[in-house]
Amino acid sequence: DVKVTQSSRYLVKRTGEKVFLECVQDMDHENMFWYRQDPGLGLRLIYFSYDVKMKEKGDIPEGYSVSREKKERFSLILESASTNQTSMYLCASTVLAYRDRYSNQPQHFGDGTRLSIL
Amino acid sequence: GQQVMQIPQYQHVQEGEDFTTYCNSSTTLSNIQWYKQRPGGHPVFLIQLVKSGEVKKQKRLTFQFGEAKKNSSLHITATQTTDVGTYFCAGRRSGGYQKVTFGIGTKLQVIP
Repeated sequence: DVKVTQSSRYLVKRTGEKVFLECVQDMDHENMFWYRQDPGLGLRLIYFSYDVKMKEKGDIPEGYSVSREKKERFSLILESASTNQTSMYLCASTVLAYRDRYSNQPQHFGDGTRLSIL
Repeated sequence: GQQVMQIPQYQHVQEGEDFTTYCNSSTTLSNIQWYKQRPGGHPVFLIQLVKSGEVKKQKRLTFQFGEAKKNSSLHITATQTTDVGTYFCAGRRSGGYQKVTFGIGTKLQVIP
């Protein structure tokens, strides 16, 4: 079974701090994702990485950056945390499929990090 | 950008009643995936639909993809307390073959 591990289940930080959220997957997946989940808004994509050192912005990248130095690890960085970044953060990974015209690979999620910015 | 609307946002049913959640996209989808998130848990992949008009079943769950590939539904027959959770649809977005857009989810409560 795929295992996606997020470093913290709960995290409390202060406004203005630089915050690192870590995600590790053990299945050699090429693609990794960071989402935030908020009530009434579902899951929104922050950043996506399809290879080491490669990244793409998602729908809400402002205030965030990412790092993928190793294939198994994808880090989300809050450059200067603000209270509106209080949320549940979910990491996911998928295997790289051929550029199948119609099909996608299932996303495997970590347990999430509930981040509170005070 | 592509949007995937999902209704209802919340649904309470008596145990044994049926339940349906609907997804609608503003654009044609290549495929649609469904996920279930139990309370306190993370989303777990249930199924993917690819073909126009496709219908797939998993025990009491029936998944349908519309003919125009713009809408989908998940129907649960005779709900049980184990069905409690939030159900998300996720449509493949244009211009990003590995990225999907999630609906906001339908939170299902089953009253014993």
